[in-house]
Order: sequence, then C-alpha cells, then structure tokens
Amino acid sequence: DTAVSQTPKYLVTQMGNDKSIKCEQNLGHDTMYWYKQDSKKFLKIMFSYNNKELIINETVPNRFSPKSPDKAHLNLHINSLELGDSAVYFCASSRGQLEAFFGQGTRLTVV
Amino acid sequence: AQSVAQPEDQVNVAEGNPLTVKCTYSVSGNPYLFWYVQYPNRGLQFLLKYITGDNLVKGSYGFEAEFNKSQTSFHLKKPSALVSDSALYFCAVAGNNRLAFGKGNQVVVIP
Repeated sequence: DTAVSQTPKYLVTQMGNDKSIKCEQNLGHDTMYWYKQDSKKFLKIMFSYNNKELIINETVPNRFSPKSPDKAHLNLHINSLELGDSAVYFCASSRGQLEAFFGQGTRLTVV
Repeated sequence: AQSVAQPEDQVNVAEGNPLTVKCTYSVSGNPYLFWYVQYPNRGLQFLLKYITGDNLVKGSYGFEAEFNKSQTSFHLKKPSALVSDSALYFCAVAGNNRLAFGKGNQVVVIP
C-alpha cells in the first residue's frame, strides 16, 4: 500500500484553467503539507494542516486553495493557472514534527 | 526561523570511496534534523533523523549522519559509495510546523 498517494502524476493544462491535485495518506498522521519544487529543485512549503486545521499559509497567491476534508486527505485547487505555476507539487504527511513522508509528486505544466 | 545550508552544489566521488554531504543548521531550541534522498522523477525518501540521543545516527542504505552541536552541523556520510547512490540529497530541519529544506546536493558516484 502506498503511504502517501497523490493524483494525478502529470498534469498539462492551458493558462487560465482551474485544476485540482488530490492527496491521501494512510499512515494515520495528523499533519499534512503541500510543497512546491521549482525547476532548480528548491523545495518550498506552501501549506500545512494539522488535524484538518490550516497551520501554515506561506506567501502563496490566493489562486491556490487547499482543502482538508478529513485528516487523511489534503487537496490543492488552483484557479486561473499561470505559466509560472509550472512545477512539481509534493504532498507529505507527518506525525507532529517527526519525519515527513512524501508522495511521488505531481508535475504540473502550464502551456 | 529555522534554516539549513548545504554549501556544495554537487559532490563527485569515485565508487567505493567515502561519501560526505555537508549540512549546517540554524534553529532556536533543540534541533530535529533529517536527510532525504530524491531520485530522478521521484518523491523524497526519508533516510535518517536526529531527534535526541547518540550523535551518530544510522539510516537506510548504509547511510549515517553525525550531529555536532558545537559546529551546528549534521553531515551525511557513507563509508563506501555505490553508483546507485547518485541522486539529489536534501538536509532539513523541523520547526514552526514545517520542514525547512536546504537547496539540495547532487551526488554523482563515478564508476
């Protein structure tokens, strides 16, 4: 069983479209994250949820909206996609501040 | 805010030689430190962590890391590198409900 799974793995879409990425973890963790990895491989946190409550909302455009329907799921919805949104988005989960486990990533390409 | 620094962009090592990937950290309070590895087109895989206890921690795939409080370092080591160890390595520190990652080090093991 995959511990942290995110879908889709690849997403190619046109500018201006709205898209969603889904994430699920079956580890029983209480904290979930979205990270963005840019073309230089830098990893930057976007959002963090603890027990379905938003804990961190970094300086991310409000076109990005996370939603956590329950502790095991954290989805990311992006409105009005822009070329600069092209990146790899990683979902992760952890138990408190212990090691985080990452999904395989969603490679988003905006054309 | 907590941060880590990985001073080198790329580490080249001959197969069979010792491998060291450097990391220094900055955090208030006791550090929770981690190393992750990322293979091409894959998510991050957890290698090892330091939370408390013995300064030398052992992890997956024969890797180990040494916590040095006085030098605020957490260098990753492997006694004998394999070609399959070629990947991108990230150091991270936990705090403020997030993992702060270094920029990553590309490790190239030369046959």
